Amino acid sequence: EAQVTQNPRYLITVTGKKLTVTCSQNMNHEYMSWYRQDPGLGLRQIYYSMNVEVTDKGDVPEGYKVSRKEKRNFPLILESPSPNQTSLYFCASSLFPTGNNSPLHFGNGTRLTVT
Amino acid sequence: DQQVKQNSPSLSVQEGRISILNCDYTNSMFDYFLWYKKYPAEGPTFLISISSIKDKNEDGRFTVFLNKSAKHLSLHIVPSQPGDSAVYFCAATDTGANSKLTFGKGITLSVRP
Repeated sequence: EAQVTQNPRYLITVTGKKLTVTCSQNMNHEYMSWYRQDPGLGLRQIYYSMNVEVTDKGDVPEGYKVSRKEKRNFPLILESPSPNQTSLYFCASSLFPTGNNSPLHFGNGTRLTVT
Repeated sequence: DQQVKQNSPSLSVQEGRISILNCDYTNSMFDYFLWYKKYPAEGPTFLISISSIKDKNEDGRFTVFLNKSAKHLSLHIVPSQPGDSAVYFCAATDTGANSKLTFGKGITLSVRP
């Protein structure tokens, strides 16, 4: 089944404790991206990757890192999480950078709470 | 500055009637528009899209209309069904740039049986 898989689904951590949220897609997609969803703010892009070893900042990259060493994986790293990073995170992928006939496919989300 | 606006946070309609979800955008470079649907505890799923060279795209019960001069698009669902109850996100992109999707805040649709 074609899908984007994120882990974990739920995570509670404390300020400053490094964490990684994994994302994997099995559709051989070139483009991958991370979004966060916050009440009243919709979905905002954190980082994106056009292909292996090519990553770039989205709208809200502060406090996050990503890597794209393999085509299928795009982990999101929080080196020193803070409470304002408490949010619902979505990983997404598409065959090409989104355009005609290449919609984003989303994972089921990771609910992160930083205390 | 919010480039994609969904000004109504919620909409409630009767089953069988039409649902009209509106979206406005400010960036004139946007040339491709999408609607996503999101159920609780799931990721958004692609619903329908439209290119700026068209003014209408239809897929079953779902039709998206684009008015470029007004920078406005709308999603029509006819007839509405209880299973359509979800959050709907409007999104837009400039396919000539990095193709980043810019999302609206979403609108919660409730279809009453």
